[in-house]
Amino acid sequence: QVQLQQSGAELAKPGSSVKISCKASGYTFTSYDISWIKQTTGQGLEYIGYINTGSGGTYYNEKFKGKATLTVDKSSSTAFMQLSSLTPEDTAVYYCARPILGRYFDFWGPGTMVTVSS
Amino acid sequence: DIVLTQSPALAVSLGQRATISCRASESVRSSMHWYQQKSGQQPKLLIYGASNLASGVPARFSGSGSGTDFTFTIDPVEADDIATYYCQQSRNDRTFGGGTKLELK
Repeated sequence: QVQLQQSGAELAKPGSSVKISCKASGYTFTSYDISWIKQTTGQGLEYIGYINTGSGGTYYNEKFKGKATLTVDKSSSTAFMQLSSLTPEDTAVYYCARPILGRYFDFWGPGTMVTVSS
Repeated sequence: DIVLTQSPALAVSLGQRATISCRASESVRSSMHWYQQKSGQQPKLLIYGASNLASGVPARFSGSGSGTDFTFTIDPVEADDIATYYCQQSRNDRTFGGGTKLELK
């Protein structure tokens, strides 16, 4: 069965970076992109972007350019998202999800809570 | 960005019909999708392409609409359906509605 396993919660200081992971199983990893979505109480769900797991090509929502960097390791079927120059506004749950034809998301990871606090 | 507007909450009785609306700031044609999110869990796809039921989703759930106005229906509502429901468009980039929290009356 399709599963997306995400890394554990992170507590980070303002100005630092974190890198969270999303390990896929149950399907051919390189046949689907991996998307990332941010969820906060105030802003709701926000689309960050996606990575083509075969080519490594990326797309970023304008709002997250310079904030998020998406990478992939095909050998371990794992996608990564690095968040840099963290501020308290980056405190959120971050989900990876599998997009279908780039349109909607049929499987989601359980989320990774990132807390930015001094 | 295309803005999706949902009512914040809806109170329903068990066994009754729940209808949730989502209005887009511009036409998204049929590129509207619906998710259920229970407390502490990740979203789950229910409807894609405005009216197509995702795999394994009970037929109590349905969706309709096109252009700017969309409707998501649960009929009849069961206790397990208490959750927040989100619409999402894929016509222009990807944006989500603010969510509608389904509550018991």
